[in-house]
Amino acid sequence: AQKITQTQPGMFVQEKEAVTLDCTYDTSDPSYGLFWYKQPSSGEMIFLIYQGSYDQQNATEGRYSLNFQKARKSANLVISASQLGDSAMYFCAMREQTGANNLFFGTGTRLTVIP
Amino acid sequence: EADIYQTPRYLVIGTGKKITLECSQTMGHDKMYWYQQDPGMELHLIHYSYGVNSTEKGDLSSESTVSRIRTEHFPLTLESARPSHTSQYLCASSERWRNQPQHFGDGTRLSIL
Repeated sequence: AQKITQTQPGMFVQEKEAVTLDCTYDTSDPSYGLFWYKQPSSGEMIFLIYQGSYDQQNATEGRYSLNFQKARKSANLVISASQLGDSAMYFCAMREQTGANNLFFGTGTRLTVIP
Repeated sequence: EADIYQTPRYLVIGTGKKITLECSQTMGHDKMYWYQQDPGMELHLIHYSYGVNSTEKGDLSSESTVSRIRTEHFPLTLESARPSHTSQYLCASSERWRNQPQHFGDGTRLSIL
């Protein structure tokens, strides 16, 4: 079974608008972490935001916030006030406490910001 | 800011050549990783290491090999490159705790002719 599911292959958003990128996950581990990464066309992976499974509040980092709904096993990324530089691939990832403790990545969502 | 470096950034080379992709980090991280990624696609873990003298195979089978003789250095080697090895290779490192992100290098874009 897929550990991380991103159902939106591509998304478009108008500049200055907000956009939500969906991510659902599957784990039986009570302790885990959720991450979002941005990958511009240049190829590097940029860490954006982290949410722990025991965190009571949704994580925020500047224009990025994570809408964490534990019962639904979803961890959607919200980008507010979109900028042209936000156009990129976005990957959701999960790290479990048990096992090899590696990251499981989703298939990504390509976001395009329209001027 | 993360300090993890990959060289070369781009490599175009002929079939049958031996290739080593370099990855170094200055953060003292125990865990290091190699991912393979085709353009616009997901990342596949091909190797990882818990520390010096530790190497493990990842989820995706790969003909490459790795070594971890020093904490900061985690090179990936292809003994005989083939066109099917054409891809982007990303190196990452992290602390061992679940709440710590993996820090990535800029990647190596490899093309085998």
